[in-house]
Amino acid sequence: GAVVSQHPSWVICKSGTSVKIECRSLDFQATTMFWYRQFPKQSLMLMATSNEGSKATYEQGVEKDKFLINHASLTLSTLTVTSAHPEDSSFYICSARRSYNYGYTFGSGTRLTVV
Amino acid sequence: DAKTTQPPSMDCAEGRAANLPCNHSTISGNEYVYWYRQIHSQGPQYIIHGLKNNETNEMASLIITEDRKSSTLILPHATLRDTAVYYCIFLLEYGNKLVFGAGTILRVKS
Repeated sequence: GAVVSQHPSWVICKSGTSVKIECRSLDFQATTMFWYRQFPKQSLMLMATSNEGSKATYEQGVEKDKFLINHASLTLSTLTVTSAHPEDSSFYICSARRSYNYGYTFGSGTRLTVV
Repeated sequence: DAKTTQPPSMDCAEGRAANLPCNHSTISGNEYVYWYRQIHSQGPQYIIHGLKNNETNEMASLIITEDRKSSTLILPHATLRDTAVYYCIFLLEYGNKLVFGAGTILRVKS
């Protein structure tokens, strides 16, 4: 149990375009999901907390207008990278927690390359 | 967020036990110790967590010192597939967000 699906697993887009990444909890409901970014040879950096039915909470230094998060249902959160630039190329990962008795479950990640 | 200290890398022979240390001297009494690992280009995988007592599951054992200032993750019989970055994190039971440190790169060698 506690499976998180992330789609797409990789995407290549042109500079200036927007890209949407989906994160779904397949067998549980998640009122809260988290989005991370990871650059090569670095650790995961928390970008934002996605709250179902309300606005996301962004970490310091993360541009909320650039990284749009929508958590419209208890099983789906989306991250949209708007007006993407090459420096946005990274590995994006989402996670969710089934309950306080469970550890956090992570998606398999999305490799974004902006050309 | 509270800080953990882990060695940057470790090597382990295949079939032997891998013991990964973590210092968390600033941990408070109601914070849990969590361990995750990340195999290259994948999302992190939950391994184990504990509060005070030692814990064991099908993947690993977690040994927490009595003063809770450090812990050790034990993979009893490491395989090549255990090569990964291992992260030690602590979190309140009802805490919200996992914040990752640098982790330990474990290389299991044949």
